Amino acid sequence: AQTVTQSQPEMSVQEAETVTLSCTYDTSESDYYLFWYKQPPSRQMILVIRQEAYKQQNATENRFSVNFQKAAKSFSLKISDSQLGDAAMYFCAWSETSGSRLTFGEGTQLTVNP
Amino acid sequence: EPEVTQTPSHQVTQMGQEVILRCVPISNHLYFYWYRQILGQKVEFLVSFYNNEISEKSEIFDDQFSVERPDGSNFTLKIRSTKLEDSAMYFCASGSPPGSITDTQYFGPGTRLTVL
Repeated sequence: AQTVTQSQPEMSVQEAETVTLSCTYDTSESDYYLFWYKQPPSRQMILVIRQEAYKQQNATENRFSVNFQKAAKSFSLKISDSQLGDAAMYFCAWSETSGSRLTFGEGTQLTVNP
Repeated sequence: EPEVTQTPSHQVTQMGQEVILRCVPISNHLYFYWYRQILGQKVEFLVSFYNNEISEKSEIFDDQFSVERPDGSNFTLKIRSTKLEDSAMYFCASGSPPGSITDTQYFGPGTRLTVL
């Protein structure tokens, strides 16, 4: 079974600094998709960034970027110039194909200190 | 920008009662999903729905659960006889518009279900 592991239950960062959240996954598939979702206190699930496994180039979305290491099955999220609004629970997720279920990690609670 | 909506935002029910959670997915999406998140835990997949039938379901989605797309816009999750352990946040998601080569699921704001 596919699993997603986030080994950091909590992380903190100073405002304007950079933080990296870790995620590893286990799969025997060669093609799949990876995602980071943000869940603020409102508990809404907000897509932050996605990565297709067949693409070697790491995805970026403004201050958010990923370091995708396919051989190592690692998918970390880097948040640059952290802002107070970035404080949230961050979930890493995996899916096999278009339409298939998302498998989530346990989440990392990010605190941004002013 | 289109978004997934869910009603109600909070539902309180007595154990053994039936509840129906409602969702309006994004209009041109083809896949619909239900997930749940017990407080303090990770998000768990319940069921996916495509072409008017269940395409995949998890071990959690037993006989007390059912899904339906009663019309062209709504997508519902019914829990027939609620248990205390059904208390959770339930998220609806939709994804994969026609022609899309990516699998991005967009989530609704969730319905918080409390079973007393």
